[in-house]
Amino acid sequence: NAGVMQNPRHLVRRRGQEARLRCSPMKGHSHVYWYRQLPEEGLKFMVYLQKENIIDESGMPKERFSAEFPKEGPSILRIQQVVRGDSAAYFCASSPKGSQPQHFGDGTRLSIL
Amino acid sequence: DQQVKQNSPSLSVQEGRISILNCDYTNSMFDYFLWYKKYPAEGPTFLISISSIKDKNEDGRFTVFLNKSAKHLSLHIVPSQPGDSAVYFCAAIVQGGSEKLVFGKGTKLTVNP
Repeated sequence: NAGVMQNPRHLVRRRGQEARLRCSPMKGHSHVYWYRQLPEEGLKFMVYLQKENIIDESGMPKERFSAEFPKEGPSILRIQQVVRGDSAAYFCASSPKGSQPQHFGDGTRLSIL
Repeated sequence: DQQVKQNSPSLSVQEGRISILNCDYTNSMFDYFLWYKKYPAEGPTFLISISSIKDKNEDGRFTVFLNKSAKHLSLHIVPSQPGDSAVYFCAAIVQGGSEKLVFGKGTKLTVNP
């Protein structure tokens, strides 16, 4: 399967813990996007990264959230000190050269106890 | 501020008939539009797109129409099949920027056999 791979598919954390979500883009894609979907809502843009660079983080909450896309390995979305409101589905998408369409992974469902 | 609006949360049609899903946008800077289909517990799958320089794009059973003056686009599926039952998201971008997708809230399509 050469699609966008996200893991874990489901993640349960207690309030105050850290959550790490991983995304491996499609082969040949060097641009990664993270989106968040709250219940009954559409997907909301969070951050756009290229290898080792953050291009646009205008959708990221100012605190507790960070993202990286290192030279080697998957992109990581990190949420520190999670709160109940962080419960959502987090989707990663990739594209070649920042073009369209973006191809999505199956998401990570984050639940906060 | 909802820049992309899908005002019908749900739509039900009979198999073999036409499904018409609607989408309105408010940002006149949007110049590229995409439709994604999403099944439960999966990521969005790209369906069809249209550039603002066109008013129609067709791919098999799927046709997207764009009315720039009305800031309105629609997705036509004909004939509709039970496998088309899913949530359909309209998305828009401003090309040349960060290419971040702005999504509507989605329309749940049910195709009855």
